[in-house]
Amino acid sequence: KNQVEQSPQSLIILEGKNCTLQCNYTVSPFSNLRWYKQDTGRGPVSLTIMTFSENTKSNGRYTATLDADTKQSSLHITASQLSDSASYICVVSSWGGGGNKLTFGTGTQLKVEL
Amino acid sequence: DGGITQSPKYLFRKEGQNVTLSCEQNLNHDAMYWYRQDPGQGLRLIYYSQIVNDFQKGDIAEGYSVSREKKESFPLTVTSAQKNPTAFYLCASSIGTASETQYFGPGTRLLVL
Repeated sequence: KNQVEQSPQSLIILEGKNCTLQCNYTVSPFSNLRWYKQDTGRGPVSLTIMTFSENTKSNGRYTATLDADTKQSSLHITASQLSDSASYICVVSSWGGGGNKLTFGTGTQLKVEL
Repeated sequence: DGGITQSPKYLFRKEGQNVTLSCEQNLNHDAMYWYRQDPGQGLRLIYYSQIVNDFQKGDIAEGYSVSREKKESFPLTVTSAQKNPTAFYLCASSIGTASETQYFGPGTRLLVL
């Protein structure tokens, strides 16, 4: 069964600090991995997308890494801001049964405080 | 403005009532999706449509129905057969298959009276 597990479940950090969110997956065959940011009461917004051959991808203060061998990904947030407070969702795409299927993690709830 | 819109933002359902959630996109995307989000769970796929007049069941289609008469519109009906409808419903669209980045609407929160 395809699964995506994220840790920690929730995290509180001070503004300006860095943090790293983890994503472990058991999805096969692997197609790509995305990180989404979801503000409370809103729809998710894509931050990064990584394919099998990519190790690192950045989007401003967000840097995602992928280790396809260990099936792990991380999202590093640099110099956090209050607006980074949100849920961060890891989504893994797999190909099978004639189509692509997305498996969603449960998300890491990040709160940035003054 | 390009994007994907959902209405209403909040919806209340009485026992035995069918309700319909609206989803519209002007991104010219072929594929559209409906997800359900519950606290502590990942998004779960209800239905998806890859072209007009065609749609497929997702993982939790029971108690829901959809139509895709126009490329821009993909309404979701929550029927009285759905016994636990309270959730946050998200509509998404993508250019093609699910491997493409999906763009999400702002969501509709459904509550049962």
